[in-house]
Amino acid sequence: DGGITQSPKYLFRKEGQNVTLSCEQNLNHDAMYWYRQDPGQGLRLIYYSQIVNDFQKGDIAEGYSVSREKKESFPLTVTSAQKNPTAFYLCATVGSGYSYEQYFGPGTRLTVT
Amino acid sequence: DAKTTQPNSMESNEEEPVHLPCNHSTISGTDYIHWYRQLPSQGPEYVIHGLTSNVNNRMASLAIAEDRKSSTLILHRATLRDAAVYYCILRALYTNAGKSTFGDGTTLTVKP
Repeated sequence: DGGITQSPKYLFRKEGQNVTLSCEQNLNHDAMYWYRQDPGQGLRLIYYSQIVNDFQKGDIAEGYSVSREKKESFPLTVTSAQKNPTAFYLCATVGSGYSYEQYFGPGTRLTVT
Repeated sequence: DAKTTQPNSMESNEEEPVHLPCNHSTISGTDYIHWYRQLPSQGPEYVIHGLTSNVNNRMASLAIAEDRKSSTLILHRATLRDAAVYYCILRALYTNAGKSTFGDGTTLTVKP
């Protein structure tokens, strides 16, 4: 069953702690993305990776870090430097071919208190 | 990145057609027009995409203006399950995926 897995669905952390969100895909897609969504807002791009061992900053990368050591995995670390980390985080991939359709995971809702 | 503009919100009655507009006046010749929708507390899902010609699939139709500066997503008979946020984005052909940004989309409310 192909798809994108994000775990956990809900995550709670204390302020000042780093936290890593998991994103795994078995679609064999090269490109992977992380987005943040605040209540009532659209998606904002944090980081993206077009190939293993390479990634680029999106529009709101400050306070976040990523790695791309394997094609299947693109973990996102929310560091203590991120001022407002509470949000809904979405991982996505893009397939190959003419359409470059984007596939999204179910999301992780992070709450930091 | 070429940008899209959509109305913040729209309303429709159940079982009536819905036309969701999108403006993309800076679209380039190799940009595909993609539409996605997001149900509450879920990740967005692909709806439809097109380049120049109108497109139909089981979910919706996409009407693209002749000059490609605007497009309209058409839901032929809205149901309560179509209530969602609809995003119109542009994706370049023949690039290695690249940066993919979404705006705020249009929140569609369907009234019974």
